[in-house]
Amino acid sequence: GNSVTQMEGPVTLSEEAFLTINCTYTATGYPSLFWYVQYPGEGLQLLLKATKADDKGSNKGFEATYRKETTSFHLEKGSVQVSDSAVYFCALSERNRGSTLGRLYFGRGTQLTVWP
Amino acid sequence: EAQVTQNPRYLITVTGKKLTVTCSQNMNHEYMSWYRQDPGLGLRQIYYSMNVEVTDKGDVPEGYKVSRKEKRNFPLILESPSPNQTSLYFCASSPTSGQGIGEETQYFGPGTRLLVL
Repeated sequence: GNSVTQMEGPVTLSEEAFLTINCTYTATGYPSLFWYVQYPGEGLQLLLKATKADDKGSNKGFEATYRKETTSFHLEKGSVQVSDSAVYFCALSERNRGSTLGRLYFGRGTQLTVWP
Repeated sequence: EAQVTQNPRYLITVTGKKLTVTCSQNMNHEYMSWYRQDPGLGLRQIYYSMNVEVTDKGDVPEGYKVSRKEKRNFPLILESPSPNQTSLYFCASSPTSGQGIGEETQYFGPGTRLLVL
């Protein structure tokens, strides 16, 4: 089956520190991979995505590379800011797999807190 | 403004009292979906709809019903709510392609916080 595993949180960092949030996946087909972010009191919004192996998604200084060989999509940022404090979700959706075409699978989320 | 709206945003109810949470999108998206978010469990898909009159179950459909009579609306119905349905609920929508939602960005509503006593 399909699933997404994220590193456990919470993650607490000082401003300008380097961030990595690990995400690995299991999929039976050809997934697209996403990172969504949820700021306090809001719905989720797309942070970045990658739709095929070796693609790199990037946005707002965040990056993630789709690694098929390690089934991973780790989120990184070189220098975090207080405004990056949020919950981050890794997600997977499949393509060309019949009945799973409408399914989206989320990890459990990682709470990030950045202190000034 | 392109958006997904949900109503109500907050709801307190009692066990067994039927309720409906509405979801509406103004982006002409074919796909709509409902999720619940619980601490430590992330988001779990309840039901989704690939288009009008087409709905299917997600991971946790028990105790919920949906309908898709119009493209823009996708209400979530709890016919007999129970305390274990206390949660934060999100509606989302997206376009579709020949590969379903595979590459598409999901657009989320602001959430509905439900407490069932």
